[in-house]
Amino acid sequence: GIQVEQSPPDLILQEGANSTLRCNFSDSVNNLQWFHQNPWGQLINLFYIPSGTKQNGRLSATTVATERYSLLYISSSQTTDSGVYFCAARDAGGGADGLTFGKGTHLIIQP
Amino acid sequence: ETGVTQTPRHLVMGMTNKKSLKCEQHLGHNAMYWYKQSAKKPLELMFVYNFKEQTENNSVPSRFSPECPNSSHLFLHLHTLQPEDSALYLCASSQETGEGNQPQHFGDGTRLSIL
Repeated sequence: GIQVEQSPPDLILQEGANSTLRCNFSDSVNNLQWFHQNPWGQLINLFYIPSGTKQNGRLSATTVATERYSLLYISSSQTTDSGVYFCAARDAGGGADGLTFGKGTHLIIQP
Repeated sequence: ETGVTQTPRHLVMGMTNKKSLKCEQHLGHNAMYWYKQSAKKPLELMFVYNFKEQTENNSVPSRFSPECPNSSHLFLHLHTLQPEDSALYLCASSQETGEGNQPQHFGDGTRLSIL
């Protein structure tokens, strides 16, 4: 099945800093999503982005499908941005119907 | 995500108990999913239902028994669980078009602890 790898695994930044999180995937995808999991376990949908670029406030994401990677940008980080960021993808080649998740990037924003 | 509701939010049960997790989606979707998130591990797909029919069982032990009576409701029946089954169980739904390219929406999860 499809492999999804995220980097870095951990990231500690000061409030106000910018960050880039990366997601590499091994096969063509027809679904790619970025999620933020808060300390209570809730998965918050950030972006549905199988290709192209999207922006939502301080967050933006870009997926280059031909090169099999996606990037999540967080600008002017706030302490509330802390948590785990997951990338998840679905194989376009007829693999599992569900999403395959990466191991996540654990982001800590210090005041 | 208020469109997908899971109950209960927390559940503590003994290994010999029988309990059920419930998921309801209010988004008019036709596909529903169960995922498991164990400590220090990524989310893992368990089951997929399309139009109430199970289309995927990701090698899940038989002590987990899913049920999908209609496109809006999904259950996970639990019996004789093991301590390693303690995890966060997440339900999701999506509108499947046959091309698999629609986003999935997740509930808040049920945190299960097995004593």
